[in-house]
Amino acid sequence: SQQGEEDPQALSIQEGENATMNCSYKTSINNLQWYRQNSGRGLVHLILIRSNEREKHSGRLRVTLDTSKKSSSLLITASRAADTASYFCATLLASGFQKLVFGTGTRLLVSP
Amino acid sequence: AAGVIQSPRHLIKEKRETATLKCYPIPRHDTVYWYQQGPGQDPQFLISFYEKMQSDKGSIPDRFSAQQFSDYHSELNMSSLELGDSALYFCASSPGGTGGENEQYFGPGTRLTVT
Repeated sequence: SQQGEEDPQALSIQEGENATMNCSYKTSINNLQWYRQNSGRGLVHLILIRSNEREKHSGRLRVTLDTSKKSSSLLITASRAADTASYFCATLLASGFQKLVFGTGTRLLVSP
Repeated sequence: AAGVIQSPRHLIKEKRETATLKCYPIPRHDTVYWYQQGPGQDPQFLISFYEKMQSDKGSIPDRFSAQQFSDYHSELNMSSLELGDSALYFCASSPGGTGGENEQYFGPGTRLTVT
């Protein structure tokens, strides 16, 4: 089954509003990463948060990590139409394996 | 800055044909990963290589094989193609080898269509 589950599956907001996406995972992780993907295109790395970190900021992005609940959230503030994309969380397991395990993704639509 | 290069970007094959996808990692990155993303799906890990040796294996069919060469580029070979192999294939690279603290940098992907 999926290591990462994201909710909501789809989110529709207006420009200027904040968008919050959540990710839950099942096993211990080394770090958690968020990626963005425009329709059918490449994956763009947004931010990485390590298992010993609780919060991280990058521009309009804020990521939180709660390892006790095995969950993370991505907040995009003051959204823009250009933020329209799918957002995936991906976990790097603590077991030493290198692979990223992706969540199911949230499709974000920001309307002008 | 140099990014991960994948070729070809688009590929159309018929059932039972073979396909070879190529990946050129970022210079000085020694680890390469392959992922498959079906339509409307999340990326699924296939296989990875560190210093030319296979380091991890995911849900890669036996019909697929891959290797990493001395210049660190990697090739994914796919034989007896099936309709279900139609997907976006991503390659990613990182400088870190095992341990995986390092970010994985993704290429633009190869879109394979099997007809």
